[in-house]
Amino acid sequence: AQSVTQLGSHVSVSEGALVLLRCNYSSSVPPYLFWYVQYPNQGLQLLLKYTSAATLVKGINGFEAEFKKSETSFHLTKPSAHMSDAAEYFCAVSDRSGGSNYKLTFGKGTLLTVNP
Amino acid sequence: NAGVTQTPKFQVLKTGQSMTLQCAQDMNHNSMYWYRQDPGMGLRLIYYSASEGTTDKGEVPNGYNVSRLNKREFSLRLESAAPSQTSVYFCASSVLAGTYNEQFFGPGTRLTVL
Repeated sequence: AQSVTQLGSHVSVSEGALVLLRCNYSSSVPPYLFWYVQYPNQGLQLLLKYTSAATLVKGINGFEAEFKKSETSFHLTKPSAHMSDAAEYFCAVSDRSGGSNYKLTFGKGTLLTVNP
Repeated sequence: NAGVTQTPKFQVLKTGQSMTLQCAQDMNHNSMYWYRQDPGMGLRLIYYSASEGTTDKGEVPNGYNVSRLNKREFSLRLESAAPSQTSVYFCASSVLAGTYNEQFFGPGTRLTVL
């Protein structure tokens, strides 16, 4: 079964600093990978997705993620944090195999705090 | 487009009461999902419907039932609510774009069971 590990349940950065949120997946076959963002008291919104095209994926709000097969990682980055980036971020994986490709498995989430 | 809508937004139940959470999508998506979100647990899949007329159990189905009423609507029922079902419930929908699955989420229902 697929699994996703997000290292760090809480990450705190200063405004203007680099944001790095870590995600590792377990799969022998590279899966489809997603990052979602959840603002307080809202649903989840897709930030970006990896579907086997370019390994560096650009998303909304200046975020990007790089798929590294050798490290089974899909870390999310943003060069300069903004106060509005404060939210919870979820990494998710979708299996490529057979009939299960419509299910997503989510990580436990990383809460990003941005300090002024 | 409203996207994915959920009703109600908030609900308080007493142990043993029943209720149905409603979800509708206007994006003509084939697949729909119910998740629960608990602190430190991420999102866990309760039930899903890959297409109209089919439903299947997810990771945590015990205590829940679902109905795929038509292509637009997918409801989640708690027959006898328990405090352990206190959670935030999210509905999602997707159309399989090629072979990958991009899901769109509703705003959630916050349920408290006393």
